[in-house]
Amino acid sequence: DTAVSQTPKYLVTQMGNDKSIKCEQNLGHDTMYWYKQDSKKFLKIMFSYNNKELIINETVPNRFSPKSPDKAHLNLHINSLELGDSAVYFCASSHEISGGTDTQYFGPGTRLTVL
Amino acid sequence: GDSVTQMEGPVTLSEEAFLTINCTYTATGYPSLFWYVQYPGEGLQLLLKATKADDKGSNKGFEATYRKETTSFHLEKGSVQVSDSAVYFCARAGGFKTIFGAGTRLFVKA
Repeated sequence: DTAVSQTPKYLVTQMGNDKSIKCEQNLGHDTMYWYKQDSKKFLKIMFSYNNKELIINETVPNRFSPKSPDKAHLNLHINSLELGDSAVYFCASSHEISGGTDTQYFGPGTRLTVL
Repeated sequence: GDSVTQMEGPVTLSEEAFLTINCTYTATGYPSLFWYVQYPGEGLQLLLKATKADDKGSNKGFEATYRKETTSFHLEKGSVQVSDSAVYFCARAGGFKTIFGAGTRLFVKA
């Protein structure tokens, strides 16, 4: 029944490691997003994909690489993790990109802690 | 660039009090406007939205009106409940991008 799911929910790792977060949506949406939420709850877009193609790539270090194997999945791989990467990462999806005016549906978030 | 500004929190109210959370947005183009709510430990979920000027979005007793003349989309509720305690995000969507405000945390005391 879960519309947008992410795994894992919690991720604790050491600096310098490489990790991945997976996201899947079963809503039949064409567009998926990754957001980063910092400790003050500020939410910032990182990437968006429409039909497996990259649409938005904000000023994000190239240690972050999104991968969309199909429309229902958008995974986030992070290389050489740094302390400042600690945050909650949210995946979201929407029906179509159409100016980005559709409602977005969010996953439950992945809390990443880098030690 | 485009932006959304909402009032800083936290906002602390007693149950049944009136709530207003202010939100203003940049007026480039014809954006759609949203309020999302984030309960503790969860992702954001849509509370209400409005797609054009003078539209009023409403849900669960919350409402907000798209005011083009003042570039505002203030969130209001006549009588808050403890269960309304959450973080509220105003958002502006247009040009393939949704921009969120910084969030306003609401605490409602019994």
